Amino acid sequence: AQSVTQPDIHITVSEGASLELRCNYSYGATPYLFWYVQSPGQGLQLLLKYFSGDTLVQGIKGFEAEFKRSQSSFNLRKPSVHWSDAAEYFCAVGAGGTASKLTFGTGTRLQVTL
Amino acid sequence: GAVVSQHPSWVICKSGTSVKIECRSLDFQATTMFWYRQFPKQSLMLMATSNEGSKATYEQGVEKDKFLINHASLTLSTLTVTSAHPEDSSFYICSASTLGQIKETQYFGPGTRLLVL
Repeated sequence: AQSVTQPDIHITVSEGASLELRCNYSYGATPYLFWYVQSPGQGLQLLLKYFSGDTLVQGIKGFEAEFKRSQSSFNLRKPSVHWSDAAEYFCAVGAGGTASKLTFGTGTRLQVTL
Repeated sequence: GAVVSQHPSWVICKSGTSVKIECRSLDFQATTMFWYRQFPKQSLMLMATSNEGSKATYEQGVEKDKFLINHASLTLSTLTVTSAHPEDSSFYICSASTLGQIKETQYFGPGTRLLVL
């Protein structure tokens, strides 16, 4: 069975600083990988996804993620964080090479200081 | 594109009553819809998967008689919490997907917060 680990429960960064949120996955074949963001009391918004091809994926709101098979990682990055980026971020992996059964990580809460 | 709505956004009910939550894909036809439950400060737990016109597939440990799911059309799925009890209080989130198509993705609704008194 697949699994996702987000090692950082809570991260605080200053506005304008760079950000990297870690995600490690466990899956036997090539995974479908996703990053979602959840604002308080809201549903999840898709930031970006990786299915195949270029391992550096660009998403919305200036986010990007890099798939590294050798490290089983799919870390999310942003060069300059804005206060509005404060939210909960979830990494997810799709089973069976599809998005049919997503397994989510436990999430990383991002706090942005001004 | 790919907008999913849920109604209601929040509901308070008395113990023993039933509550229906709707999930709609507004600008696309969803072959598959998913229902998740999220406890405070925790991740999402998949409850069930529903395909249009067929019975839902429930995850282990989820009571199918308590959480009734109907996927009557390609744009609407409903979750009914029957005889709700305080322990059913939670944040319920649906997602919709066009599985089987290239680069399929789950698109999530805004969630429904249920409080059972």
